[in-house]
Amino acid sequence: ETGVTQSPTHLIKTRGQQVTLRCSSQSGHNTVSWYQQALGQGPQFIFQYYREEENGRGNFPPRFSGLQFPNYSSELNVNALELDDSALYLCASSLAGGSRSASTDTQYFGPGTRLTVL
Amino acid sequence: AQSVTQLGSHVSVSEGALVLLRCNYSSSVPPYLFWYVQYPNQGLQLLLKYTSAATLVKGINGFEAEFKKSETSFHLTKPSAHMSDAAEYFCAVRYTGNQFYFGTGTSLTVIP
Repeated sequence: ETGVTQSPTHLIKTRGQQVTLRCSSQSGHNTVSWYQQALGQGPQFIFQYYREEENGRGNFPPRFSGLQFPNYSSELNVNALELDDSALYLCASSLAGGSRSASTDTQYFGPGTRLTVL
Repeated sequence: AQSVTQLGSHVSVSEGALVLLRCNYSSSVPPYLFWYVQYPNQGLQLLLKYTSAATLVKGINGFEAEFKKSETSFHLTKPSAHMSDAAEYFCAVRYTGNQFYFGTGTSLTVIP
């Protein structure tokens, strides 16, 4: 059973550019959540995807967008990068129940992508 | 607002001493509660979780936590600290919905 993987591990961009981060969920999981973790802070929820549809969103602007693919892997896209977007971006996968409602599913995290915006 | 508070951003203990990391949640509805550990330059690893079963939850690496509804707390403890326990610890809550709310973290230092 493979765990959650993310790519790339590190990325450097300049203001105004666009970036795509990738996540492969743990085998058998159908839900992916993305978090932003600024230096010295706890992770902040960006959004979640369940069976290829957005299933909840945190307080992030529309320039943060995502996708989930039929194999449940996922992408996080950020447009018009700002300096404050510099952070560790974490992906977490889980297995939700038979509906989109909450369950006791535990989220398993990948190692993260460190994004630096200059 | 739904949130979780971790008291003490930095905790230092001697090797072999008791570890106590504090977490309080804000809700009248008991949430699902989690403790995660994060080592430098790594993602978060689940230590333990509370899902409305037993109030005393045992996790990995000798850690445990007790859910106390009257105190809205879910403090993490370990009887005897080991050098390998030095890391960042995050408490997280999940209410009815899909979002996890994380605390700001507690950095644990273990002194030899």
